[in-house]
Amino acid sequence: QQQVKQSPQSLIVQKGGISIINCAYENTAFDYFPWYQQFPGKGPALLIAIRPDVSEKKEGRFTISFNKSAKQFSLHIMDSQPGDSATYFCAASIDNYGQNFVFGPGTRLSVLP
Amino acid sequence: KAGVTQTPRYLIKTRGQQVTLSCSPISGHRSVSWYQQTPGQGLQFLFEYFSETQRNKGNFPGRFSGRQFSNSRSEMNVSTLELGDSALYLCASSLDSASNYGYTFGSGTRLTVV
Repeated sequence: QQQVKQSPQSLIVQKGGISIINCAYENTAFDYFPWYQQFPGKGPALLIAIRPDVSEKKEGRFTISFNKSAKQFSLHIMDSQPGDSATYFCAASIDNYGQNFVFGPGTRLSVLP
Repeated sequence: KAGVTQTPRYLIKTRGQQVTLSCSPISGHRSVSWYQQTPGQGLQFLFEYFSETQRNKGNFPGRFSGRQFSNSRSEMNVSTLELGDSALYLCASSLDSASNYGYTFGSGTRLTVV
């Protein structure tokens, strides 16, 4: 019940296209859902995050869509650029002190020029 | 503003040895968490320290331990290394609850056990 599923495992998109990564969770106690971006040789960096009281959050070209009833959330990258090529991780956590994050397995995104 | 600093960046150890990894969080951050990242298991939570106290612990054997000092710097120790401990060990710091303030990760320590 602590697992977060993520798909696809890898994604190839043309420059200017839309990249969509999906995640699903089981534990309804999760109340914070961040997305992280990781480049080779670097640690993950927070991209955008959402709480379940909001169905969508947009920051620049990045949008999170959240479906509480389906226990699913997704990341949309609009106008994808080669510089977006990285591994993306969704995560879920319970907002209490001493909490830890459960990460999805990651999606390797390649944006072709 | 300096980021999260992890040392060393790379480490090669022999099976059975022990290793200590170091993490300096962002100035002012009192919470430090450690994660293990492997291709097979992904990112897995090891433990979190806040004000020198372990607040939460993941499902790792007792060979994995950590501590936090009064200046919030943290160390992680792995004893009796096994081949399966080869991984990227990531440290992340936060002001307090990471779901309120977000994690900032370091670049990690790549541990190879031979």
